[in-house]
Amino acid sequence: AAGVIQSPRHLIKEKRETATLKCYPIPRHDTVYWYQQGPGQDPQFLISFYEKMQSDKGSIPDRFSAQQFSDYHSELNMSSLELGDSALYFCASRTLTGSGEQYFGPGTRLTVT
Amino acid sequence: AQKITQTQPGMFVQEKEAVTLDCTYDTSDPSYGLFWYKQPSSGEMIFLIYQGSYDQQNATEGRYSLNFQKARKSANLVISASQLGDSAMYFCAMREPYGGSQGNLIFGKGTKLSVKP
Repeated sequence: AAGVIQSPRHLIKEKRETATLKCYPIPRHDTVYWYQQGPGQDPQFLISFYEKMQSDKGSIPDRFSAQQFSDYHSELNMSSLELGDSALYFCASRTLTGSGEQYFGPGTRLTVT
Repeated sequence: AQKITQTQPGMFVQEKEAVTLDCTYDTSDPSYGLFWYKQPSSGEMIFLIYQGSYDQQNATEGRYSLNFQKARKSANLVISASQLGDSAMYFCAMREPYGGSQGNLIFGKGTKLSVKP
């Protein structure tokens, strides 16, 4: 079965640089979520999209922005990167029908040096 | 506010034995969903099992079962016949109410399970 695809899988950036993370949800899933997981931490919700419209915002810094495109893929844009942004970034998708379990992508490991 | 508590930072279990991972939750919403995810050392988050607040029976998925005690607000994960591949971090999560969100997840701090041969 198709899974959530994230790219790149690993990314190394320097402080103050920008980064773009991409997510391709499972086909026919209408909701996309972004989570950030710091080292040794639990995942924290950043932002979500439903049918290409921003739905909810969590603890997403103002330096970050995201959007969902007409083909349902989503991008998380991160600017003025800080050392504390080093984390594993997950994209998850789901459909509103059923129990609503979210299926996670493999994550993008961002390292800011 | 919603909250998930996992009180066991680490657990050890002998291969082929059963193990219970604890999870308690707090919510004022009568409709909620509870999830368990497995995160191996490779990093991916793998969905294991779901329990809805109105479900009459405890959820089961293969070797995974959820011991749901609504009055105690607990949703413990039971893994039967542990395998070496079960060694991983396990997260309990709750879905935010749909009324104000699209159901993003709130996670507990996780329990690191180590299976001994």
